[in-house]
Amino acid sequence: DVQVTQSPSTLSASVGNTVTITCRASQSIVDWLAWYQVKPGKAPKLLIYRASSLESGVPSRFSGSGSGTEFTLTISSLQPDDFATYYCQHYYNYPWTFGQGTKVEFK
Amino acid sequence: QVQLQESGPGLVKPSEILSLTCSVSGGSISGQYWSWIRLPPGKGLEWIGNIYYSGSTNYNPSLKSRVTISVDTSKNQFSLKLSSVTAADTAVYYCARNLNGYYFDYWGQGTLVTVSS
Repeated sequence: DVQVTQSPSTLSASVGNTVTITCRASQSIVDWLAWYQVKPGKAPKLLIYRASSLESGVPSRFSGSGSGTEFTLTISSLQPDDFATYYCQHYYNYPWTFGQGTKVEFK
Repeated sequence: QVQLQESGPGLVKPSEILSLTCSVSGGSISGQYWSWIRLPPGKGLEWIGNIYYSGSTNYNPSLKSRVTISVDTSKNQFSLKLSSVTAADTAVYYCARNLNGYYFDYWGQGTLVTVSS
């Protein structure tokens, strides 16, 4: 199985900051990686697919990059609505797996 | 706009079967893959398995012996059954669409299922 390791587990930041979250895959997954935002009681939201493609309707302050085994999600100019938990997920082959999650909290 | 809604008991006894249904509205269940994912308290997301509208399935090997996912195209629904549950199966369960068999583009709000006697 492809393992996905996400870091950091927690990130403290302020409104207006730029934050970066990293995912590393245990083998090359080309660019078959997605990023999601998860908030309690709400439907999780797709942010990025194919490593760097922005889902329709997602603000442009979210961006993804990387290929092979190293990937990043960057949130520029953090907004109050962005405080949430973020997960990466590979869909290179079955079983699909998620990273451990990164909680972005108020500093 | 596709919408998904999970339904089912919020409390299941140990060793029994957890059963959930996902109702899809705003679009047809045909032509797509549909998944179940769970989020245990204090842990990360875990993909349980998926089903194509035609009925073919893929399961996470870690749960495969206990999981059955089925689809009812006439009702635009798909379902999850997880047998022999323990407290470790307590989680928020989400249903989601796999666009063209890949990433999850639409999700339900999730339903909390607690395993307890």
